Amino acid sequence: SQQGEEDPQALSIQEGENATMNCSYKTSINNLQWYRQNSGRGLVHLILIRSNEREKHSGRLRVTLDTSKKSSSLLITASRAADTASYFCATDDTGANSKLTFGKGITLSVRP
Amino acid sequence: GAGVSQSPSNKVTEKGKDVELRCDPISGHTALYWYRQSLGQGLEFLIYFQGNSAPDKSGLPSDRFSAERTGGSVSTLTIQRTQQEDSAVYLCASGQGALYNEQFFGPGTRLTVL
Repeated sequence: SQQGEEDPQALSIQEGENATMNCSYKTSINNLQWYRQNSGRGLVHLILIRSNEREKHSGRLRVTLDTSKKSSSLLITASRAADTASYFCATDDTGANSKLTFGKGITLSVRP
Repeated sequence: GAGVSQSPSNKVTEKGKDVELRCDPISGHTALYWYRQSLGQGLEFLIYFQGNSAPDKSGLPSDRFSAERTGGSVSTLTIQRTQQEDSAVYLCASGQGALYNEQFFGPGTRLTVL
């Protein structure tokens, strides 16, 4: 079964609004990462949060991690049409030897 | 600098044929990963190479799938006797493989088995 499960599966918002995407996982982790994918091709790394961190920022991105609830959220503020893509969370599970486990992804559509 | 490259970008083959997919990782990256992504789905881990260690092959779906990494750099994923269910985008990624690793992905090879 998927380690990382994103929620919702699809999200449609208006340009300028904030987008919040959630990820839940099952086992203990070293870190959790968020990736973005355009047009079904290569993924681009967005942000990494370590297991001992609770919140991290990068530009318009804010990620939180709650290890007690085994969940993470990715917030994109002031969204743009160019943010339209699929977003994946990936967990680096302890004992998994740096192998990432990806969720099925969230499809974000930002309407101009 | 150059990113991860993959070739071919698209491959159409007939059922039963063998195919080879190539990945050129970022120079100096010790870790190399292969994933498979079916339409609208997440990434399915296939195989992981880290330095000179034995590869983690736990994700290979059948013995028709194999991969090599020569000289710690270029990797080739081979699928023998292809089946229609092998149709997918095959993604390669490289990284440092350290505790807080970030993976850098190639553009993928879209494989279609007729």
